[in-house]
Amino acid sequence: DAGVTQSPTHLIKTRGQHVTLRCSPISGHKSVSWYQQVLGQGPQFIFQYYEKEERGRGNFPDRFSARQFPNYSSELNVNALLLGDSALYLCASSLEYAGKSNQPQHFGDGTRLSIL
Amino acid sequence: QKEVEQNSGPLSVPEGAIASLNCTYSDRGSQSFFWYRQYSGKSPELIMFIYSNGDKEDGRFTAQLNKASQYVSLLIRDSQPSDSATYLCAAPGDQKLVFGTGTRLLVSP
Repeated sequence: DAGVTQSPTHLIKTRGQHVTLRCSPISGHKSVSWYQQVLGQGPQFIFQYYEKEERGRGNFPDRFSARQFPNYSSELNVNALLLGDSALYLCASSLEYAGKSNQPQHFGDGTRLSIL
Repeated sequence: QKEVEQNSGPLSVPEGAIASLNCTYSDRGSQSFFWYRQYSGKSPELIMFIYSNGDKEDGRFTAQLNKASQYVSLLIRDSQPSDSATYLCAAPGDQKLVFGTGTRLLVSP
């Protein structure tokens, strides 16, 4: 079975542009979460979508938005890119709502975003 | 605000030794923890889940949870150079996983 798939793997943008990152969860998983990871830090939570509704949002500006489609795939959009948005963007899926204590999340390979 | 803390390392151990990785947490209500392994330039990979006090063993890995002292640890027996990676401790929070900064492990041949 395919794991979590993300595209693209690498992306280079300039300041002020916008970007769309895509994620397909493991088959049967209903929850998709997005995380940002900068070098030397653990992943920081951006969004969770469960059953196509936003169920959690981290401490990120409104330039960040996301959505989940009927097939449970998801997009993360970032507008007006800043140099500080350079990071590894990780998508994780789980079978059920990710707030449950026994619900593991499985990560995709990530999209490495570089802002020039 | 739930917090998870780890020593960033690096923790250096010789091949064949036991590597001990530790994590402390702030929320006494935390019931469970995940350990992820992350190779350089790769994404986190789930390696252990522990829900109750005590030990949980899976192959060369043992996770230990001590709720009274609010720490969770990961022991890697017979460490191999291929175990060299960053190990992330994570606790389920509201709608998300809360990660520590990770401990970098270096296993020398």
